[in-house]
Amino acid sequence: DVKVTQSSRYLVKRTGEKVFLECVQDMDHENMFWYRQDPGLGLRLIYFSYDVKMKEKGDIPEGYSVSREKKERFSLILESASTNQTSMYLCASRSSGGNTIYFGEGSWLTVV
Amino acid sequence: ELKVEQNPLFLSMQEGKNYTIYCNYSTTSDRLYWYRQDPGKSLESLFVLLSNGAVKQEGRLMASLDTKARLSTLHITAAVHDLSATYFCAGDTSGTYKYIFGTGTRLKVLA
Repeated sequence: DVKVTQSSRYLVKRTGEKVFLECVQDMDHENMFWYRQDPGLGLRLIYFSYDVKMKEKGDIPEGYSVSREKKERFSLILESASTNQTSMYLCASRSSGGNTIYFGEGSWLTVV
Repeated sequence: ELKVEQNPLFLSMQEGKNYTIYCNYSTTSDRLYWYRQDPGKSLESLFVLLSNGAVKQEGRLMASLDTKARLSTLHITAAVHDLSATYFCAGDTSGTYKYIFGTGTRLKVLA
């Protein structure tokens, strides 16, 4: 069965802290994505990676960076967390030839 | 750039009734997706529509795609409480890896 795992489900961090959100998929998918979800705004793409060590900015990359050193793992990094980054973060993956993207369970981040 | 709009944003309906959620998109989209999200949960794939005139059905849900009108619909037949959730549509464009989501339709089915 398809599995996208986000290791941290609920986090509370202080303003200015560096935050790592980890995502692992077990399907050998080439493409991986990070979205944030906010009420009334739907899902907005932060970054995506179409293969190992490859990354591209999405629609709202400011304040975020990503790392993809291994095919199965895609990390989202908040260099200096701010309160406006309080949100639900969703990781997803897809085979480069596939039609469906698979989502992880989400990480709820609160920045205080 | 692709934009995706859904309406309505909120929908409260009685059990047993029929209703349709609409998804309009602004430019050519190769594929159109429908997802379901339960509160506090992740998104679950419902349908992938690949071509004009595509229709897919699963239980009480039926999705269709009209690429000429740039419109997809999700039709709910004889709603039941278990269908209460937020439904998202999304599109993508060939040559990019960007999936653009609508803002979602929050459906509440009342007993």
